[in-house]
Amino acid sequence: SQKIEQNSEALNIQEGKTATLTCNYTNYSPAYLQWYRQDPGRGPVFLLLIRENEKEKRKERLKVTFDTTLKQSLFHITASQPADSATYLCALLGGGYNKLIFGAGTRLAVHP
Amino acid sequence: DVKVTQSSRYLVKRTGEKVFLECVQDMDHENMFWYRQDPGLGLRLIYFSYDVKMKEKGDIPEGYSVSREKKERFSLILESASTNQTSMYLCASSSTKGQAGGRVRGQPQHFGDGTRLSIL
Repeated sequence: SQKIEQNSEALNIQEGKTATLTCNYTNYSPAYLQWYRQDPGRGPVFLLLIRENEKEKRKERLKVTFDTTLKQSLFHITASQPADSATYLCALLGGGYNKLIFGAGTRLAVHP
Repeated sequence: DVKVTQSSRYLVKRTGEKVFLECVQDMDHENMFWYRQDPGLGLRLIYFSYDVKMKEKGDIPEGYSVSREKKERFSLILESASTNQTSMYLCASSSTKGQAGGRVRGQPQHFGDGTRLSIL
């Protein structure tokens, strides 16, 4: 069955460093991959979308890569700030036009 | 900005009750979704709807039903609540229209802030 794996352990980094989060998937060939941010007690908020024919996408301090050979996406936050602390979810297009399959998320904690 | 509003942030109900969770979106989106989120399991799709009166089962539809009588409103119904339905419930919407007016796949989903439901 289709499976998406994100590191379940929290990632702790120092302010100013680059945070790198990983999303791996199996039994799947998605055309799109999305990343969301979720704060405690809130719904997920969309950050970035990358297509299968794009290797890399950037938005301000965020960068996403998509390697369809490795079946992996990396999500980078450069010059991280305490305000970046949140849980980050990756999601793949699960079939049809609009159904997404979500990973369980990785919690990021940026320490001053 | 898209706004997805869920009727309650917190809800406590008793086993066996019929429970209604309401969701309204203000952006004329075709698609609406209901998820539940449990620690370590991520978001799991319960039902989704791609048009008024249309619905499709997601990955965990058992014990739930939905209703979409108007485009902006999508309701989740727990027919007879059980303790294993205690969870955070999230509603989302998305569009299928691209900027050029055609149909586009994989559009971002816009979420409400969730309803934390406890079944006692």
